[in-house]
Amino acid sequence: EVQLLESGGDLVQPGGALRLSCVASGFTFSNYAMNWVRQAPGKGLEWVSGVSGIGGSPYYADSVKGRFTISRDNSKNTLFLQMNSLRAEDTAEYYCAKSKGAIVGTFDAFDIWGQGTMVTVSS
Amino acid sequence: DIQMTQSPSSLSTSVGDRVTITCRASQTISTYLNWYQQKSGKAPKLLIYAASNLQSGVPSRFSGSGSGTDFTLTISSLQPEDFATYYCQQSYSTPRTFGQGTKVEIK
Repeated sequence: EVQLLESGGDLVQPGGALRLSCVASGFTFSNYAMNWVRQAPGKGLEWVSGVSGIGGSPYYADSVKGRFTISRDNSKNTLFLQMNSLRAEDTAEYYCAKSKGAIVGTFDAFDIWGQGTMVTVSS
Repeated sequence: DIQMTQSPSSLSTSVGDRVTITCRASQTISTYLNWYQQKSGKAPKLLIYAASNLQSGVPSRFSGSGSGTDFTLTISSLQPEDFATYYCQQSYSTPRTFGQGTKVEIK
C-alpha cells in the first residue's frame, strides 16, 4: 500500500525550531518529487516547499524562504522539513504530498498525501 | 505569484444535482491545473490533473475542462459522499498556488 506518514509536529514557542519527518512506503521514493503543504485552522491549502526526486534545487513559498529547509534521504525513504524562526502564522496542519512526476516541474499534481502533523506556534 | 480564484466560495445543493465549480488563474497556465477534494478532518485527495485527466480510482461523475485562465470542475450527479471542499491548484510555476476553496453543502 502506498503510504506517507508524517511526524514531528508539536507546540513550540515563537522563534523556536522544529523538524518534521515523512516516511514513505509502497513506491520507489527516489523516483518522485515530494512536497510539504500546510493548512492553518479553518483555512485553505498553502504549498510550502517541494524537492525533486534526485538532486535538483528545492523550491519554497515566499512566506517560509530563509526559515524553512526541505531535504530528503532517499536511502531511508524519508522527507524532512526543518523549520526555524517559527512564527504564530506558521501554526497549521502540515501535510507531506507526493508528486506524480520526478521533478518539481509543470506536470506536478499531488497524488498521495499523508494524514498530517500539527504544528502550533504559541507562547 | 499566480493567483487562483474559485467561484462560488460555497454552494448548497442536493443529491443528484449537477454541480459546476469554476477556477480562474491570474495569468495563462495552459492546462497545468489540478483539482482536489477535502473532507472535514481529512487530507486532500487528487481528483483531476492537467485540467481534464481523471485520477485513477476517482468516479467518472467527476470531470474537468478548460485551458489558459478559465477552468471548470463538474460533478454530473452529486452523491452523498461528495459533500466536501474542493480546491484548484496550478502547477505552471512555483510557488504552487491553490484557490481559496469551494464548500459543497447539503441543501
